[in-house]
Amino acid sequence: AQSVAQPEDQVNVAEGNPLTVKCTYSVSGNPYLFWYVQYPNRGLQFLLKYITGDNLVKGSYGFEAEFNKSQTSFHLKKPSALVSDSALYFCAVRPSGYSTLTFGKGTMLLVSP
Amino acid sequence: DSGVTQTPKHLITATGQRVTLRCSPRSGDLSVYWYQQSLDQGLQFLIQYYNGEERAKGNILERFSAQQFPDLHSELNLSSLELGDSALYFCASSDQGETQYFGPGTRLLVL
Repeated sequence: AQSVAQPEDQVNVAEGNPLTVKCTYSVSGNPYLFWYVQYPNRGLQFLLKYITGDNLVKGSYGFEAEFNKSQTSFHLKKPSALVSDSALYFCAVRPSGYSTLTFGKGTMLLVSP
Repeated sequence: DSGVTQTPKHLITATGQRVTLRCSPRSGDLSVYWYQQSLDQGLQFLIQYYNGEERAKGNILERFSAQQFPDLHSELNLSSLELGDSALYFCASSDQGETQYFGPGTRLLVL
């Protein structure tokens, strides 16, 4: 069975600084990896995905993620954080050939002015 | 706006009751997924339908059931409700591609 670990419950960063939200996964076969963001009282918004190809994936709102097969990681990054980036971030995985997603428990990102 | 709609936004009911949550997928999407989000369990996959047929089942209780209708909208039925069923229930949809798009959710409170 697949699993996702987001080791940090919360990440604090100052506005303008780079941010990283960590994600590691366990899956049989080739992974399809996703990042979603959830703002208060809202649904999950798709940010980016890795299916195949370049290990660096670019997504919405200036976010990017790097797929590292040897470390089974898919960390979310942004060069310069905004206060409006403050939200709950979820990493998710599904094995190729399957359709259902397994989510991590989420990481709260707090960007201070 | 993802294009996935869910009704109602909020639902307050009593233990032992039955409720129905409704989801309309994005135009053209054949797959519908249901998820439950709670503080202690996180985001858990419940069930998937594809073009009217059940495709995959997750941690869905026997008291819960779902269906997808010919117009592709889906309903999640929760019966014999317990306090622990209080949660956010999300619907997501996808086409043949890999990305699931989520609706705004239904917040269920069981008193």
